[in-house]
Amino acid sequence: DAGVIQSPRHEVTEMGQEVTLRCKPISGHDYLFWYRQTMMRGLELLIYFNNNVPIDDSGMPEDRFSAKMPNASFSTLKIQPSEPRDSAVYFCATAEGSGANVLTFGAGSRLTVL
Amino acid sequence: EDQVTQSPEALRLQEGESSSLNCSYTVSGLRGLFWYRQDPGKGPEFLFTLYSAGEEKEKERLKATLTKKESFLHITAPKPEDSATYLCAVQAQGGSEKLVFGKGTKLTVNP
Repeated sequence: DAGVIQSPRHEVTEMGQEVTLRCKPISGHDYLFWYRQTMMRGLELLIYFNNNVPIDDSGMPEDRFSAKMPNASFSTLKIQPSEPRDSAVYFCATAEGSGANVLTFGAGSRLTVL
Repeated sequence: EDQVTQSPEALRLQEGESSSLNCSYTVSGLRGLFWYRQDPGKGPEFLFTLYSAGEEKEKERLKATLTKKESFLHITAPKPEDSATYLCAVQAQGGSEKLVFGKGTKLTVNP
């Protein structure tokens, strides 16, 4: 299994531009989580899905952030417009079954907003 | 609000020098406590799950323990390859699958 696949690995953009981060989960995993990691705040949960349905988006910072999971094989996290304070590493993680506590993380997408 | 505090923020050890990392937590009913390891430039990797006070789990040179207020990750005779950031997370009772992470302890083991 290739694991959780995220793209792009690195993104540098200018303030105001739209950013789309992508995630391909492990086949058969029915939970998908988007986390953001910064030095100041550590790992923060943004949103998670169960069977493609958003369950908890209380961690999404504001309306500039949106996430979708159109099918079991793909999810996107979009930031529009981007701001310098959005600079962070964004991780996608997936899990299988009830409890969903053994997360498998992707390698992350490092976003820099100038 | 569920909180996880890890200490120290950073720890330097000599190869073979045993030590412990601390994870203090406050949660409205603990469903599980988790330890992850994160190498630079990579995502966290699962190590252990602990569910109740008194429980212990071991893997090679690592042993995790749990009390009602904190967890320890004991590292016995560490090697340079144990160098990483160790993250602690909690999951609360109540149905949510959300994991709340601490900021981690960066461990460096010098040869």
